[in-house]
Amino acid sequence: EAQVTQNPRYLITVTGKKLTVTCSQNMNHEYMSWYRQDPGLGLRQIYYSMNVEVTDKGDVPEGYKVSRKEKRNFPLILESPSPNQTSLYFCASSSRGGQGPTGELFFGEGSRLTVL
Amino acid sequence: AQTVTQSQPEMSVQEAETVTLSCTYDTSESDYYLFWYKQPPSRQMILVIRQEAYKQQNATENRFSVNFQKAAKSFSLKISDSQLGDAAMYFCAYRGLYTGANSKLTFGKGITLSVRP
Repeated sequence: EAQVTQNPRYLITVTGKKLTVTCSQNMNHEYMSWYRQDPGLGLRQIYYSMNVEVTDKGDVPEGYKVSRKEKRNFPLILESPSPNQTSLYFCASSSRGGQGPTGELFFGEGSRLTVL
Repeated sequence: AQTVTQSQPEMSVQEAETVTLSCTYDTSESDYYLFWYKQPPSRQMILVIRQEAYKQQNATENRFSVNFQKAAKSFSLKISDSQLGDAAMYFCAYRGLYTGANSKLTFGKGITLSVRP
C-alpha cells in the first residue's frame, strides 16, 4: 500500500529537549516536504527536499532542521523545541516537483506535538 | 507569491442538501493544479478533487464537483446530497507546475463544514 508514515503521532515534550519526527514514504518520490498546521493559519511549509541531499527552507523554517540521506526518509528535527512549536505536523511527498502525473501531494497522518 | 483565500471560516448544510465552498487564488503562472482537501476529525488530509488549469472542463468526483473560473481565479467546491460524513474542515490548495525546485502546495486557511441531520 502506498503511504507516508510519520512517527510519533503524538508527543508531549518540554522546552529545550531535542526531538525528531520521522517520515518515510514507499512510493519512490523525489519530492518531500514538511508542513505545520495551526488554527486560523492553514498549513504552512517548513522545509522541502527535491531529492537526496537536496533540502531547502520553506516559509517557516526557524527552529527546525531536516536531512535527506535516503530517498524514502525525511526526518524533521527540533533541536531546542519551544512552546510556539506546539502544532500539528504533516509530512508529504510527491513525484518530482509539480510535474508528476497528478501534481498530488500524499500526506502522512500527522503528528501532534505539544511543547510545555 | 501565490496566495489562496477562503473567506468563509464556517458553513453549515442540511443533510441531503447542496453546499458550495468558495476559494479564490492569486498567481501569475499559467499552468498549475488546484485541489480541495478534506480533513475530518481524524486529521488525515484526504484529496477530494483535483483540477488542472489547462483543462476547461470542471472536475467531478461523484457528489463533488468544482466550478473553475480561470480568468476570475476562482475555484469553488460543490457538494451535492450532503452526508453526515462530509462534516470536516476543507482546504483549498494551489500548486504551480513549473515553479522551479519548490513547487509547494499553498493552502487557504480552511473552512469548517458542519452537516445538520
